[in-house]
Formats: sequence, C-alpha cells, structure tokens
Amino acid sequence: KNEVEQSPQNLTAQEGEFITINCSYSVGISALHWLQQHPGGGIVSLFMLSSGKKKHGRLIATINIQEKHSSLHITASHPRDSAVYICAAEPNTGNQFYFGTGTSLTVIP
Amino acid sequence: NAGVMQNPRHLVRRRGQEARLRCSPVKGHSHVYWYRQLPEEGLKFMVYLQKENIIDESGMPKERFSAEFPKEGPSILRIQQVVRGDSAAYFCASSGVRNQPQHFGDGTRLSIL
Repeated sequence: KNEVEQSPQNLTAQEGEFITINCSYSVGISALHWLQQHPGGGIVSLFMLSSGKKKHGRLIATINIQEKHSSLHITASHPRDSAVYICAAEPNTGNQFYFGTGTSLTVIP
Repeated sequence: NAGVMQNPRHLVRRRGQEARLRCSPVKGHSHVYWYRQLPEEGLKFMVYLQKENIIDESGMPKERFSAEFPKEGPSILRIQQVVRGDSAAYFCASSGVRNQPQHFGDGTRLSIL
C-alpha cells in the first residue's frame, strides 16, 4: 500500500466547472504539499500546508490532520489548468517525501 | 530566472555509458533533493544533500548511483554503467532551509538506448 493515495487518477472537466482532487496519506506529517506538473514536465509547488486551508487565486487547498486527508479545489476551471496534480507528504521523521501518483486533469473549452 | 536550473534537459546514453545530471539550486539555497520519475509512475525520493554533505540517500540504488553537492558548483547525480531501466525523468529541487517549500527544476529526461 502506498503511503499517499490520490483520486481520481484521471479527470476531465468542462471549462468553468468546480474541480476537487483528493489525497489520503498514512504517515505522520509535518506538511502536505500540492504540486503541479505541466505537459512539458516542469513541476511547480502550489501549496505547502500543515493545517486548515490555503487559497491562491482560483486554487484552494484544505487539510484535515485527524482524518489524514487533503483536498485541492479549482474554482472556475480553465483549459490552462490542464496538468498533473501531485500530492506529497512530508513526514515528521526522516527526509523522504512520499508522493501520490498524480491526478491528470484535462479541462475542455 | 533565479529558479532551479537542470541540465541537460534531455540526455541519451547507450547501455554501459555514464550519465551526469547537473542541478544548480536557487541562489542561496543549500538544501538539494533529487527525485526520479519512472514512466507511468509517481515521483520517488532519491537523495537529500546539504552543501558538501549527503544527509539521506535512502532512496538511491545501492550500486551505480552517486550524488554530490560540492562547495562550489552544481549538484551532480551520476549514474555509471547505465541500463535501460534507468530511463526516467530526474528532478532536482532546492530549499533555503529544511522545512520550506521546495523549488523544482524542469527535470532531465534520460533515455537509454
């Protein structure tokens, strides 16, 4: 069993839809990260959170520490949001990050 | 662009050759991480270095792989005697201190013929 599980694996949405990507983890963490990987392959860090909720533009990330669950929401989705979204758990012991396998999002105009 | 710079972007090697992947962290960052992304798989941690020191190499294969982060110059991930299974995207990330968000490079895509 992977330390980090993401769902769904693939997601197709119409432009303007509200999108939710889920992440569950089984390790104790000091932080949970959401990353975005574009078709060209580059990776951008979107959020680092250890509690509550963070918002950046149309992106919102939430975390429930007790349930070991995080969600990434995209409001008013746009084709340029099409990318792979990766959840990563930063454990509170050790140095190794644990990554989900990613959610491939396609937003259709 | 003061971000993490990786080169080359693409590297082709024949089986048995050596591959050297370079990573220049964000200026002022002393923490460097290397990750591997195999085709159709998620990112996997390989090694964590802090200027001149290997802090954690628990994700590195025991043979043929080595990493360094010298006092001067970029971090180097070195793969000796490459095999087909080494074909992957290798990402480098850096941070200023241990628990800050990591900045990722664009990766090096290694293809083994």
